[in-house]
Amino acid sequence: GAVVSQHPSRVICKSGTSVKIECRSLDFQATTMFWYRQFPKQSLMLMATSNEGSKATYEQGVEKDKFLINHASLTLSTLTVTSAHPEDSSFYICSARQLGGNTDTQYFGPGTRLTVL
Amino acid sequence: AQSVTQPDIHITVSEGASLELRCNYSYGATPYLFWYVQSPGQGLQLLLKYFSGDTLVQGIKGFEAEFKRSQSSFNLRKPSVHWSDAAEYFCAVAPYSSASKIIFGSGTRLSIRP
Repeated sequence: GAVVSQHPSRVICKSGTSVKIECRSLDFQATTMFWYRQFPKQSLMLMATSNEGSKATYEQGVEKDKFLINHASLTLSTLTVTSAHPEDSSFYICSARQLGGNTDTQYFGPGTRLTVL
Repeated sequence: AQSVTQPDIHITVSEGASLELRCNYSYGATPYLFWYVQSPGQGLQLLLKYFSGDTLVQGIKGFEAEFKRSQSSFNLRKPSVHWSDAAEYFCAVAPYSSASKIIFGSGTRLSIRP
């Protein structure tokens, strides 16, 4: 299947700083990518849908000014956690949609563990 | 509203025993259905998916799932588990298409008894 990467895999930052997480589709172009958050021992919750060349669509309760999403190319979406606080510590997972022919599938990245001190 | 229920939080089975993980969904029409596996600290790997057609779906690693419309269920099965199957398993639905929003169940943690 298609490959999606995330960078970094782990990041530790101080409270009040901003952190950028990258999501790349390595062998296909993705007009749509998704960002999820997973707290310990919980399920994945969709945060936002990232559309190439347009604004992201955020789920209810997700602050768009805090979680900035940029999807500037067909292979890269970034999530920036601004002014991070300890409660933002979580596992962030992205997915990329591969669409074409008979294919319409989301492929997931390996996740980024964010720890805010 | 759409929802996915995995009633079992944690299941322990002996190595070599059979496995069934339960999943029920609530949706007006037949959604697209998935099972994913997540190892500790890792991302998600797709085990199998159902869109239409044969209600018994074969996946990777020897897993299969059966879609039962009358019960709104999509249970995951494996005839003989291996120690490496210990992980978190998520049932998920995509209400509109395979690549639209995916709603995940709460997950079932599988432990394997030697």
